[in-house]
Amino acid sequence: EAQVTQNPRYLITVTGKKLTVTCSQNMNHEYMSWYRQDPGLGLRQIYYSMNVEVTDKGDVPEGYKVSRKEKRNFPLILESPSPNQTSLYFCASSPWDRGETQYFGPGTRLLVL
Amino acid sequence: AQSVAQPEDQVNVAEGNPLTVKCTYSVSGNPYLFWYVQYPNRGLQFLLKYITGDNLVKGSYGFEAEFNKSQTSFHLKKPSALVSDSALYFCAVRDGSTGKSTFGDGTTLTVKP
Repeated sequence: EAQVTQNPRYLITVTGKKLTVTCSQNMNHEYMSWYRQDPGLGLRQIYYSMNVEVTDKGDVPEGYKVSRKEKRNFPLILESPSPNQTSLYFCASSPWDRGETQYFGPGTRLLVL
Repeated sequence: AQSVAQPEDQVNVAEGNPLTVKCTYSVSGNPYLFWYVQYPNRGLQFLLKYITGDNLVKGSYGFEAEFNKSQTSFHLKKPSALVSDSALYFCAVRDGSTGKSTFGDGTTLTVKP
């Protein structure tokens, strides 16, 4: 089954404790992206990647890191999480044709205390 | 910088009536426009897109959208609303050169029996 998977789905952590949210897709897509969803603010793009070893900042990259060492994986790293990073996070992927639809993962709900 | 505006936080319609969810956009190049839907506790699902061609595009579940270049709008429509259409709807624009995506803040559609 074609899908985007994220782990963990739910995470509670404390301020300053480094964490990684994994994202993997099995559709051989070139493009991958991370978003955060907050009430009233819609989805805001954090980082995106057009292919292996190619990443770029979205609208809200501060406090996040990403890497794209393999085509299928695009982990999101929070080196020192803070309470304002409490949010619902979505990973998405698509073929690189700019008209292609993005396929979204199920989401990761993060609470930073 | 590209942007998307969804001027209505909430749209309420009666079942069987037509519905419209509004979206306006700003982008420097040719627009690649999308509508996604999010049901409670779920990820985003693709509804329809405009890339080029006919200004009226048809999508999933009986939805359609009209691209209006002069008004920079891409409103989502359905001739006859169903209670099951109740969800959160997002309009998005994608930069054809960079792949950067921008989403609107979302519009909650409530269809009452």
